[in-house]
Amino acid sequence: EIVMTQSPATLSVSPGERATLSCRASQSVNSNLAWYQQKPGQAPRLLIYGASTRATGIPARFSGSGSGTEFTLTISSLQSEDFAVYYCQQYNNWPPITFGGGTKVEIK
Amino acid sequence: QLQLQESGPGLVKPSETLSLTCTVSGDSISSRSFYWGWIRQPPGKGLEWIGNVYYNGRTYYNPSLKSRVTISVDTSNNQFSLKLSSVTAADTAVYYCATEGLVSSTLGYWGQGTLVTVSS
Repeated sequence: EIVMTQSPATLSVSPGERATLSCRASQSVNSNLAWYQQKPGQAPRLLIYGASTRATGIPARFSGSGSGTEFTLTISSLQSEDFAVYYCQQYNNWPPITFGGGTKVEIK
Repeated sequence: QLQLQESGPGLVKPSETLSLTCTVSGDSISSRSFYWGWIRQPPGKGLEWIGNVYYNGRTYYNPSLKSRVTISVDTSNNQFSLKLSSVTAADTAVYYCATEGLVSSTLGYWGQGTLVTVSS
């Protein structure tokens, strides 16, 4: 099983600032990496797949990068609606699909 | 617009079997467009993939749950189901159904989730 590790666990950012979230895989997942956003009481929402491709309807301020074992999600200018928990997910080697533990982006 | 909706008991006794159904609207399960998956999230914790099923009944399970999980598809009612046997308090979670891509196993459409509590 591929273990996904996200850092930091919590990120405190002011609105309008840039947020950078990290995700590391225990072995290469090539570019088979997705990012999700989850707000309280809601299901996760797919943001990024293929490490860098935005899903339909996702604003351009969200960008993903990386390949192999190191990945980054960047939110260029945080809006109020972006404060949430973000999860990475690998789908290179499955079953099982595995998720990182999440990064909570909170208002500073 | 594809929509998924989970249904089933919100309370299950320890050692019993948890049973949930996901009803799909806006697309046919037989359309061969997706795998149909289950994911769970214990309160305040992260996401765990349980497994999925294809329209023809082919299943894939998380090895950590495989001995207790059965996922099946009912094409006539456009539904798929999850059964988890011998539950304990550790199985208390919000259970989501979702679509998984065939080429990239990303979870594009999600149900709203249903909380299942294991308690006597």
